Amino acid sequence: DAGVIQSPRHEVTEMGQEVTLRCKPISGHNSLFWYRQTMMRGLELLIYFNNNVPIDDSGMPEDRFSAKMPNASFSTLKIQPSEPRDSAVYFCASTPFDRDTEAFFGQGTRLTVV
Amino acid sequence: GENVEQHPSTLSVQEGDSAVIKCTYSDSASNYFPWYKQELGKRPQLIIDIRSNVGEKKDQRIAVTLNKTAKHFSLHITETQPEDSAVYFCAATPGTGFQKLVFGTGTRLLVSP
Repeated sequence: DAGVIQSPRHEVTEMGQEVTLRCKPISGHNSLFWYRQTMMRGLELLIYFNNNVPIDDSGMPEDRFSAKMPNASFSTLKIQPSEPRDSAVYFCASTPFDRDTEAFFGQGTRLTVV
Repeated sequence: GENVEQHPSTLSVQEGDSAVIKCTYSDSASNYFPWYKQELGKRPQLIIDIRSNVGEKKDQRIAVTLNKTAKHFSLHITETQPEDSAVYFCAATPGTGFQKLVFGTGTRLLVSP
């Protein structure tokens, strides 16, 4: 398996624009997580899905952020409108079981909002 | 909810020395504690984990200890090598429900030759 695949790897956008980040989890994994990493706040959990259903979105910063998982092999994280403070590395991770298991991270998307 | 604190934020050692990173957690029901290593510009990767039914686990030069009473756990790296230089994150997951990894703020380890 190629692992968790994220796209794009880098994204530079202007403030106010819509940004969509994409993730393909490892086949057979039933849980998917979106994390945001910044120097100031480390790795923050934004939202996670189990069997395509959002379980906990309490980490989503505000209504400008939304995430979907239409099927077991694809998830998106959308920011609309984007702001400079959204600049960060966004990681997607998937796990094969419901708990107590390794999380496999994608390569991340480095987002820069100017 | 769970809160994980990690110390120190940076750690510099000489090659061959030992390194210890400590974490505390707030939710006494947490029962799974993994450690991830993140090299510069790379993704976090699991290096070792421990469950609450054991107090210590070793894997070659890496060991993790867990004290459930005090709610803290530590990562020990012996005979450090330059390639151990990275950011290390501890994490905890609540005792019930789905896995929700809450990460510490990370420790930047620098091993000098």
